[in-house]
Amino acid sequence: GAVVSQHPSRVICKSGTSVKIECRSLDFQATTMFWYRQFPKQSLMLMATSNEGSKATYEQGVEKDKFLINHASLTLSTLTVTSAHPEDSSFYICSVTDGNTEAFFGQGTRLTVV
Amino acid sequence: AQSVAQPEDQVNVAEGNPLTVKCTYSVSGNPYLFWYVQYPNRGLQFLLKYITGDNLVKGSYGFEAEFNKSQTSFHLKKPSALVSDSALYFCAVRPPYGNNRLAFGKGNQVVVIP
Repeated sequence: GAVVSQHPSRVICKSGTSVKIECRSLDFQATTMFWYRQFPKQSLMLMATSNEGSKATYEQGVEKDKFLINHASLTLSTLTVTSAHPEDSSFYICSVTDGNTEAFFGQGTRLTVV
Repeated sequence: AQSVAQPEDQVNVAEGNPLTVKCTYSVSGNPYLFWYVQYPNRGLQFLLKYITGDNLVKGSYGFEAEFNKSQTSFHLKKPSALVSDSALYFCAVRPPYGNNRLAFGKGNQVVVIP
């Protein structure tokens, strides 16, 4: 299956700053990647679908100006949390599908905004 | 729209006893069904999937799941639980069309007691 690398695994930032999270598909060219957010002991909430070479598709209630997604190549998608606030603290996970049936997930990024 | 229900919050089982984690789903058409496991501060790891064919699906680490169309269920089972099976388990579903978007259940915390 596809190998997905997500970086960084943990990040602490100050309120008002921006944080970029990278998601790389190491052995598969992904035209579509997905970004999820997960609160403690809760399920994954789909934030947006990242499309290579075009704009991301955001889920209802997700601010596109707050969570900037760039999918500039077939192996890299980035999520930038802009002007971060403590309520943005969460676990962010990306996933890649292999074009058939299966989804493969990055190891996640724990964001803490202080 | 697709949805998944995992009715229990936590499943406690003694080591060596059978483990069952319940999942029911709602989706248009024939479903693609998945089970994933998540360890603390990690991404999701694929356990098994049902696409078509035999209703009993065998997956990683001795897990299996049975697709029951009439009951719209896809319960995860393991004949003999290990302490290392303690983790968060997610059931997911998607229709056989579209952009591979998965709908996740809320997750079940499994605690295997030594």
